[in-house]
Amino acid sequence: QVQLVQSGTEVKKVGASVNVSCKASGYIFTGFYLHWVRQAPGQGLEWMGWINPNSGDTDYAQNFQGWVTMTRDTSISTVYLDLSRLRSDDTAVYFCARAPSCSGGNCQKHYFDYWGQGTLVTVSS
Amino acid sequence: SYVLTQPPSVSVAPGKTARIACGGNNLGTKSVHWYQQKPGQAPMVVIYDDSDRPSGIPERFSGSNSGNTATLTISRVAAADEADYYCQVWDSSTEHRVFGGGTKLTVL
Repeated sequence: QVQLVQSGTEVKKVGASVNVSCKASGYIFTGFYLHWVRQAPGQGLEWMGWINPNSGDTDYAQNFQGWVTMTRDTSISTVYLDLSRLRSDDTAVYFCARAPSCSGGNCQKHYFDYWGQGTLVTVSS
Repeated sequence: SYVLTQPPSVSVAPGKTARIACGGNNLGTKSVHWYQQKPGQAPMVVIYDDSDRPSGIPERFSGSNSGNTATLTISRVAAADEADYYCQVWDSSTEHRVFGGGTKLTVL
């Protein structure tokens, strides 16, 4: 069965960096894009961007460009989310989520069919 | 960028019908997906492509989309349906995903 298993809770200081992982299993890793979604405490879902595990190509939401990096390691079917220069308002749960590959095409009908369990990142001063 | 607007909260008595709206400019020309999120859990899709239900989702969940509004309808609401619900689309101008702000469904 398809599973996305994320790394555990992180506690960081303001200005530090953090790396969150998402290990995929139960399907062909390179066949689907993996997205990251942020949820601040008591707030809604915010789409951060995606990575194509096949090519390593990425696309980030404007709010996250310049300080978020998504990478992958195909040998272990894992994608990573690197957050740099953390601020206190980056405290949130970060989810990875799977969606069909969509390169330069119409992604309208593509939805997030599997999600990781979420990783809480707490940023304190 | 594209904006999706949802009411912050909807309340409904058990056994009644809940309707959760999602508004956006010409939303009817897009495919809308709906996610349910219970406290401490990851979101889960309950409706995709406006009105399709994934396997395992009860028939009580249905969706529609026309004009500037998409609607998630939950019939015969049960206590277990109490959750946050989010609509989501793909914005063709940016090629990015967009979520609505979410609606908290309370079962009275």
